[in-house]
Amino acid sequence: DAKTTQPPSMDCAEGRAANLPCNHSTISGNEYVYWYRQIHSQGPQYIIHGLKNNETNEMASLIITEDRKSSTLILPHATLRDTAVYYCIVLSSGSARQLTFGSGTQLTVLP
Amino acid sequence: GAVVSQHPSRVICKSGTSVKIECRSLDFQATTMFWYRQFPKQSLMLMATSNEGSKATYEQGVEKDKFLINHASLTLSTLTVTSAHPEDSSFYICSATWGGGYGYTFGSGTRLTVV
Repeated sequence: DAKTTQPPSMDCAEGRAANLPCNHSTISGNEYVYWYRQIHSQGPQYIIHGLKNNETNEMASLIITEDRKSSTLILPHATLRDTAVYYCIVLSSGSARQLTFGSGTQLTVLP
Repeated sequence: GAVVSQHPSRVICKSGTSVKIECRSLDFQATTMFWYRQFPKQSLMLMATSNEGSKATYEQGVEKDKFLINHASLTLSTLTVTSAHPEDSSFYICSATWGGGYGYTFGSGTRLTVV
């Protein structure tokens, strides 16, 4: 599975959009981009995933570049409860293989 | 949908004793489950993959005789930490796939402290 690169930490003001980048330059054609987050001392929570089109759900939007080598997770109106470690993971969907977690991005939403 | 229930959430045990952690899929059948371990300020590390009705596959460096995994039904997997020692103190998290491997749901985790 392709490796991902994320900044170790980011801050965001409450109410503003949080844009979390992820590089996955070695992604292959059948690999999806998944985003999970982990609030302290809890299990990871699914946010969104996509293949090549931009995706949006009630939690976030996922923007994938045309060459699919990078993506951005957007939390449109960050709240204090969005403070968490965000993980970008690339995986061949449908394979039932494990999710491999990198170090993620610690997002801190500031009041 | 796709809820995974993990128990207990916290457990303290004495060194040398064994501890069992349960992971249940509540509204779906989990053919494959994964067990992770997370030390403070570190990311999740996969320990093993379990498939219903067969032996678990352990990652390199994980002692299969110490971390016993049983996945006897499509809704229940258990991890037993045998002869626990203080260095086994960690946050243990289970995960299950659903939707033919398109979705992954995680339990809420178990904080194990060995004293």
